[in-house]
Amino acid sequence: GENVEQHPSTLSVQEGDSAVIKCTYSDSASNYFPWYKQELGKRPQLIIDIRSNVGEKKDQRIAVTLNKTAKHFSLHITETQPEDSAVYFCAASINLGGKLIFGQGTTLQVKP
Amino acid sequence: EAQVTQNPRYLITVTGKKLTVTCSQNMNHEYMSWYRQDPGLGLRQIYYSMNVEVTDKGDVPEGYKVSRKEKRNFPLILESPSPNQTSLYFCASSFGFDQPQHFGDGTRLSIL
Repeated sequence: GENVEQHPSTLSVQEGDSAVIKCTYSDSASNYFPWYKQELGKRPQLIIDIRSNVGEKKDQRIAVTLNKTAKHFSLHITETQPEDSAVYFCAASINLGGKLIFGQGTTLQVKP
Repeated sequence: EAQVTQNPRYLITVTGKKLTVTCSQNMNHEYMSWYRQDPGLGLRQIYYSMNVEVTDKGDVPEGYKVSRKEKRNFPLILESPSPNQTSLYFCASSFGFDQPQHFGDGTRLSIL
C-alpha cells in the first residue's frame, strides 16, 4: 500500500551541528512533499515544502532535497539551535489528489 | 485572527456513545482534513475535503464520518466510539492540498 518511511526516529545533535532527516515514499505519482514541525504540546506547523518539479528548496537554515527517481526526500537543518528541538514530520501527496500520508516522525534534540 | 477552531479540546466518554468534534476555519480555505496522532505512528489522515460537499477517505477512515455542508465547517463524527479511537485529533485547513495546512489546537479523546 501507499506509505512514507521516515528515518531516524530520534536524532540528537550538538548546537551548531547539522541535522538530516530522510523520507522515502511509495507512490510514483506523489507531487507534493511538506515538512511539519511540532513542538511539545503544540500543533504541527509547516516549515518548508517542495513540489515534484523542483529538486531543492532552501529557506534560511532549512533546506529540502527531492530525488524523484529514488523516491526519497530529505530535510536539512544547518547551524542547529536549541529551539529547533521538536518532532519533525514529512508527508507525501497520494494519487495526485488531496490524500496525504505522513511519516512516523523524528524527534530532534539539540543539545546546548 | 486567522485560525482553525476545534471543540471540545478534551473529552472522556464511554464506548458506543455518539460524539461529534467540530472544526471551523475563518480563512475561506477550500481544503480541510482530519488527522489522528498516536505515539510512534505519526499523523494519520482520517478524511479530507477538497471543497463543499466533496469528501474522501484518508488512510484510516474506519469508524468515522464527516460532512462538509459549509465551507468553514468540517465536523468529525464517531457514531459508535470504541477504545481504539482514543487519540489526539487534529483538524487542518488550507487553500489546496498542496498548500500549507493550518492546524487546530487538537482534541484529546479518551474512550473508556
